[in-house]
Amino acid sequence: GAGVSQSPSNKVTEKGKDVELRCDPISGHTALYWYRQSLGQGLEFLIYFQGNSAPDKSGLPSDRFSAERTGGSVSTLTIQRTQQEDSAVYLCASSTNRGNTEAFFGQGTRLTVV
Amino acid sequence: AQSVAQPEDQVNVAEGNPLTVKCTYSVSGNPYLFWYVQYPNRGLQFLLKYITGDNLVKGSYGFEAEFNKSQTSFHLKKPSALVSDSALYFCAVRAFNSGGYQKVTFGTGTKLQVIP
Repeated sequence: GAGVSQSPSNKVTEKGKDVELRCDPISGHTALYWYRQSLGQGLEFLIYFQGNSAPDKSGLPSDRFSAERTGGSVSTLTIQRTQQEDSAVYLCASSTNRGNTEAFFGQGTRLTVV
Repeated sequence: AQSVAQPEDQVNVAEGNPLTVKCTYSVSGNPYLFWYVQYPNRGLQFLLKYITGDNLVKGSYGFEAEFNKSQTSFHLKKPSALVSDSALYFCAVRAFNSGGYQKVTFGTGTKLQVIP
């Protein structure tokens, strides 16, 4: 696609429910990142994919969070048993494997846990 | 491990004055350095990058950044600030790590407020 696409753009869920967030990176981009951003705050790194493998998942805040990537393309971030503190904007970015190229961000999914 | 520091949570500057947003980094090897901007309720947009060559790089919207290897810094600058420059700015570094892969590491962000 022309850019990084994330869906849904907004998600309101009840506490305790599971949610899946989707990221469709730019075609050909092997690197994919998930970040979390609370309102007006900085970026919190969650996980990094290179192809289908995740060499760095150090930012996942608890075992309720998991992510996968299939076919070297689409990635899903799953949050189980959501809590109110999970409310944030979840951002996905992708880039080529060449170090001198910038990452491109999606518009994010705004998750609200009520 | 690579890291990026943005020591100022917020920078206030009067419209028309020069602005500087600070960034320092720590990596093994040669870094690739980036600046991104996030306007309110918008996604992150790429501003500029340093790869190699001239230490002063120019980017979008009149911004520029100076790479200083000895000080491991990559400060963002603009000669004359506009109110429309008010936004959240992120510095990032990309370099090979001990695992043999490159990962982008972002700073915590600096909120720039340009006062009319």
